[in-house]
Amino acid sequence: QVHLVQSGAEVRKPGASVKVSCKASGNTFTTYYIHWVRQAPGQGLEWMGIINPSGGSRTYSTTYAHKFQGRVTMTRDTSTNTVYMELSSLTSDDTAVYYCARVQEGGSDFDYWGQGTLVTVSS
Amino acid sequence: SYVLTQPPSVSVAPGKTARITCGGDKIETKSVHWYQQKPGQAPVMVIYYDSDRPSEIPERFSGSNSGNTATLTISRVEAGDEADYYCQVWDSSSDHPWVFGGGTKLTVL
Repeated sequence: QVHLVQSGAEVRKPGASVKVSCKASGNTFTTYYIHWVRQAPGQGLEWMGIINPSGGSRTYSTTYAHKFQGRVTMTRDTSTNTVYMELSSLTSDDTAVYYCARVQEGGSDFDYWGQGTLVTVSS
Repeated sequence: SYVLTQPPSVSVAPGKTARITCGGDKIETKSVHWYQQKPGQAPVMVIYYDSDRPSEIPERFSGSNSGNTATLTISRVEAGDEADYYCQVWDSSSDHPWVFGGGTKLTVL
């Protein structure tokens, strides 16, 4: 069984940054991709980007949705099986629940999801 | 980018069959996945690759994909099926390849 455990809720002021973590059980990062998906209050699911841990344990690549390019950075720490998503220049529109989700290599379905992290942006 | 269209809401009486559609241009050429999301919870995959079902999902859930419409069918609907349902595809030709539909709220009357 795979578990994705995310960090706790955060509150930030407009203009600040936030960094959310997603820790996976087991050594999944060399076989799976981790995505970030967000959901604003009362709204649907919005894909943000993917971190691909291919190329061995020391290299990885990322792809971000156009909407977030320049503001989002996804990184990973293989020593702790943790992926991070940092979003900068926050506005009230970034208030949302942020999920990490796993896609198997070669697949296209999100088979496991983290529990979600609420990020609230308020002055 | 590729667009998926879902009805905002579907209502069904207990024991009846609910059908939730997901429209997209030539969607039959893509693999469609479906997720169930209950209030305050993370999404859970209920159907993958059009019609496959995870082992923990009841057989009452099924999926199909033809032409420009994919359909999630829930037979013998129960009160516990009330949730939001999202379809999702991967569009390899898009610069925004991972796409979700807008979601459908299933209400059990």
